[in-house]
Amino acid sequence: DSGVTQTPKHLITATGQRVTLRCSPRSGDLSVYWYQQSLDQGLQFLIQYYNGEERAKGNILERFSAQQFPDLHSELNLSSLELGDSALYFCASSVWAGGPQETQYFGPGTRLLVL
Amino acid sequence: AQKVTQAQTEISVVEKEDVTLDCVYETRDTTYYLFWYKQPPSGELVFLIRRNSFDEQNEISGRYSWNFQKSTSSFNFTITASQVVDSAVYFCALSVSKSGYGQNFVFGPGTRLSVLP
Repeated sequence: DSGVTQTPKHLITATGQRVTLRCSPRSGDLSVYWYQQSLDQGLQFLIQYYNGEERAKGNILERFSAQQFPDLHSELNLSSLELGDSALYFCASSVWAGGPQETQYFGPGTRLLVL
Repeated sequence: AQKVTQAQTEISVVEKEDVTLDCVYETRDTTYYLFWYKQPPSGELVFLIRRNSFDEQNEISGRYSWNFQKSTSSFNFTITASQVVDSAVYFCALSVSKSGYGQNFVFGPGTRLSVLP
């Protein structure tokens, strides 16, 4: 158990809908990362937050948004869903934003299926 | 732009064999970080190692070792005396630090390693 939790584990929804994925980092970790893994695109980095602030943005679509709350949990909001958004969404946490010996801890992922 | 290539799509070895997974990266940044991750059949992602561009020292952790060569832009991963539990997809990744605070990751397509008993 990595200590990172993600809810829900599975999500089935329809095109055009909006969903929210939640991630709780390990206790004490200030940084949260979001990744998308799909058959078409492989593993992609979406966005990173550190202590409530956005630190890096990757291939995140404009229909997607994220935030990190004062209690350090993070939410990834996906709107106007398309079939191609079906994927496994992982979050990871780390203590800092990229220290020399830093380890990332991954949650179990949320599997999203858009029908 | 950054790019990571893992030319080996699938590798199959017999238990106790040594195996090397190749990773070649491209970046124009002088400060960057290289990673390896493991994704076993159960689907979770496991962080294995992070190496910064200024540290070309090879690293060994048990049966795992990493060879970082800037001259060839490679960061190869070797498993010694492979075991069935090493069967997984392995991803190499490159990260460029943004203003020293954030990291923007680019992943390779992954190498599927099957270790046969």
